[in-house]
Amino acid sequence: RKEVEQDPGPFNVPEGATVAFNCTYSNSASQSFFWYRQDCRKEPKLLMSVYSSGNEDGRFTAQLNRASQYISLLIRDSKLSDSATYLCVVSLSGGYNKLIFGAGTRLAVHP
Amino acid sequence: DGGITQSPKYLFRKEGQNVTLSCEQNLNHDAMYWYRQDPGQGLRLIYYSQIVNDFQKGDIAEGYSVSREKKESFPLTVTSAQKNPTAFYLCASAGPISTDTQYFGPGTRLTVL
Repeated sequence: RKEVEQDPGPFNVPEGATVAFNCTYSNSASQSFFWYRQDCRKEPKLLMSVYSSGNEDGRFTAQLNRASQYISLLIRDSKLSDSATYLCVVSLSGGYNKLIFGAGTRLAVHP
Repeated sequence: DGGITQSPKYLFRKEGQNVTLSCEQNLNHDAMYWYRQDPGQGLRLIYYSQIVNDFQKGDIAEGYSVSREKKESFPLTVTSAQKNPTAFYLCASAGPISTDTQYFGPGTRLTVL
């Protein structure tokens, strides 16, 4: 079983749609959680951190369920510019902050 | 203008050659990391360094070597012992305040001919 699992997609949605991505992680010792965005042939960029209470940044909402070891990302009112791969990332406790990356979910927003 | 730079952006290498990828940061970060990314896979950790003159193997260190002589620089050498070196290589740094948030350089795409 992969440490961080995501549906690879692609999710093809029209502009204005609401889309949700899910992610599960296997290590219950995971401490911190993130969503990164990666455009084609570019580096990953931090989209947002994910907190147990849930957090929102404009059209983006992230949720964490520690009991189920599940993370979600909701994008409302999708824009063409949201087209990218979204990486679910988990940080493990230990001597240093090791990040475990999911393989990513690809989103394609069309007119 | 603070950030992480990697060079070159594209690199072609013949089989049997060693090649060194550059990574420089001016963010005053203590920790630096090297990852490789293959199509359809998550990033995998090659090496990391938490402080100057110290570095540790990641999950896939075989066939790679690093050095950390300066805080700003963390070069990665892909040796001829690496069996499948064609990949997208990403360097990242973190700290000192938010040590589990990593920031990435633009990457180097290595192709072995």
